[in-house]
Formats: sequence, C-alpha cells, structure tokens
Amino acid sequence: DVKVTQSSRYLVKRTGEKVFLECVQDMDHENMFWYRQDPGLGLRLIYFSYDVKMKEKGDIPEGYSVSREKKERFSLILESASTNQTSMYLCASRKPLGSNQPQHFGDGTRLSIL
Amino acid sequence: AQTVTQSQPEMSVQEAETVTLSCTYDTSESDYYLFWYKQPPSRQMILVIRQEAYKQQNATENRFSVNFQKAAKSFSLKISDSQLGDAAMYFCAYRTTTSGTYKYIFGTGTRLKVLA
Repeated sequence: DVKVTQSSRYLVKRTGEKVFLECVQDMDHENMFWYRQDPGLGLRLIYFSYDVKMKEKGDIPEGYSVSREKKERFSLILESASTNQTSMYLCASRKPLGSNQPQHFGDGTRLSIL
Repeated sequence: AQTVTQSQPEMSVQEAETVTLSCTYDTSESDYYLFWYKQPPSRQMILVIRQEAYKQQNATENRFSVNFQKAAKSFSLKISDSQLGDAAMYFCAYRTTTSGTYKYIFGTGTRLKVLA
C-alpha cells in the first residue's frame, strides 16, 4: 500500500513564524500536491510538483512556498504565518501512469496560528 | 474552467438503508475522469470509486456505485446497505485527461451520518 506521511497531525504556531510542513511518500510517485481543507470550501490546491525540483502554483499559493529537493519529500512553507492560514493541510501523491490514477493522501496536519 | 458542485452539505441515512450523494460538474471537455473520495473522522482520505467519462457503464465497487449521466453532467454516489463505518465526509473530484495537466478539482464535500 502507498504510504503518505505528514510529519505532524497537530501543530500550533505564532503569527509571523516561518512554518514547515513535511510530507513523505514511499512509492516513488512523481506527482505530489498540497491542499488546504476548510469547512464549506472543500479542498483547495496550494501547490503541486510534477517531479523533483519542479513546482507549479495551484489556486491559492499566496503566502506559501514549496520545496521538492528529493522525489519522496514535498515541503510546504508558510513564510510568515498569519491567522488566516489556520486550517487542515493535506498532502497527496500520485503516479502519473494515466489520468485515472487516483491521488493518495496523508492523514493531514491541523495547523493553528495564534 | 471546470467546477464541481456538491449541493448537499450533510446527509443522514439509517443503517442498512440506501443513500445517494449528488455531484454535478461543469466542463467543456468530452473526456475526463471523476472520483469519489471518503474522509472518515480524523482519518486518511481514501478513494471510493472512479469513472472514466468515455465509459457508458456505471462503475461499481461492492456496496458503492455511481450514476453517471454525462449529458446532464451528473455523477452521484449510491451507498447500499449503509454501515456505521460509512460515516464520513465524501468529496467528488474531477480530473481532465489533457496531457500535462495535473490538477484535480474537488467539490465542497457532503458529510454523511449513519444512524444506528
């Protein structure tokens, strides 16, 4: 089974801090994604990476950056955390063997910015 | 741009009964993929079922089946013989087949409660 691991289930940080969310997958997937999930808004794509060192902005990239130095790891960075970034963050990965290949998700990180 | 709409924020079903979750989408493409994902409380999101738009036959996975109406751009999920473990958030998702495009578009989700 595919395993997507997010480094923290719960995280509390302060406004202005630089925050790192880590995601690791063990199935050699090329594609990786970061979403945020908010009630009533569903999943919104922040950034995705289609391969190592490749990244593209999703629908809501403002205030975030990403890093993909190794194939298995995709990091989401909040440059200067703000309270409106309090949310559930989901990482996903996928093998691009065809358009019908599903994404595999991690357990999520519930981030609170105080 | 494609959109996905789930108009039912919350649904309830009695254990052992059948429930249908609705999903509509908007696209100008003729070929695409549709997915239903399940997110149990505090647990990982997992794939329930997928449908290729070029296939007329509705996908089925055990107690889960879809009613895919391409002309109406509708993709509903039917859960038969509902079980307590089916309680979760359910997300409908769309993915284009356009080469080089990696995005999935998700609906806002439907929270399903299963009553004992």
